[in-house]
Amino acid sequence: KNQVEQSPQSLIILEGKNCTLQCNYTVSPFSNLRWYKQDTGRGPVSLTIMTFSENTKSNGRYTATLDADTKQSSLHITASQLSDSASYICVVSPSRAAGNKLTFGGGTRVLVKP
Amino acid sequence: GAGVSQTPSNKVTEKGKYVELRCDPISGHTALYWYRQSLGQGPEFLIYFQGTGAADDSGLPNDRFFAVRPEGSVSTLKIQRTERGDSAVYLCASSSRGSGEQFFGPGTRLTVL
Repeated sequence: KNQVEQSPQSLIILEGKNCTLQCNYTVSPFSNLRWYKQDTGRGPVSLTIMTFSENTKSNGRYTATLDADTKQSSLHITASQLSDSASYICVVSPSRAAGNKLTFGGGTRVLVKP
Repeated sequence: GAGVSQTPSNKVTEKGKYVELRCDPISGHTALYWYRQSLGQGPEFLIYFQGTGAADDSGLPNDRFFAVRPEGSVSTLKIQRTERGDSAVYLCASSSRGSGEQFFGPGTRLTVL
């Protein structure tokens, strides 16, 4: 079964600090990997997208990395702000030949405290 | 509107009742997806439409769940004989093509008492 596992399940950080979220996946074949941010009561919003040939992608204070050999990705948040409090979900898209079903991780709930 | 909209935002129903959840995708998006998200979990795929037809309905949990998209735009997810285990947030997403980025709506929170 294709799976996406995220860690930690939740974390609390102080405003201004950095943090790194982890994602391990077994989806194969693989087309791309996205990180989504989901605010409470809202739908997920895409932060970054990487194909298997890309190692890193940045979006402001968010930087995602991908190691397709070890099937691991990380999302690094720099200089966290209170508005970063949300769930961050790792999403893997299979190859087009394998269909369009995205496989979502369980998410990491981040709480930024002042 | 500019984004995906879903109605109602909240729905409370009693066990055994029938419910309909509506999704208005981004104008012009041909692909539409339904997901179910339980508390503290990531979304789980239910069904994918390309135009009017269901291209993949393998995620529907049982025959109580059904979805339609008769004109290739608005979609309705229908749940018959609701059970308490159906309580979740139902998310809709659309994309301009099957493999494109999916844009999500705010979801409908369904509570079955």
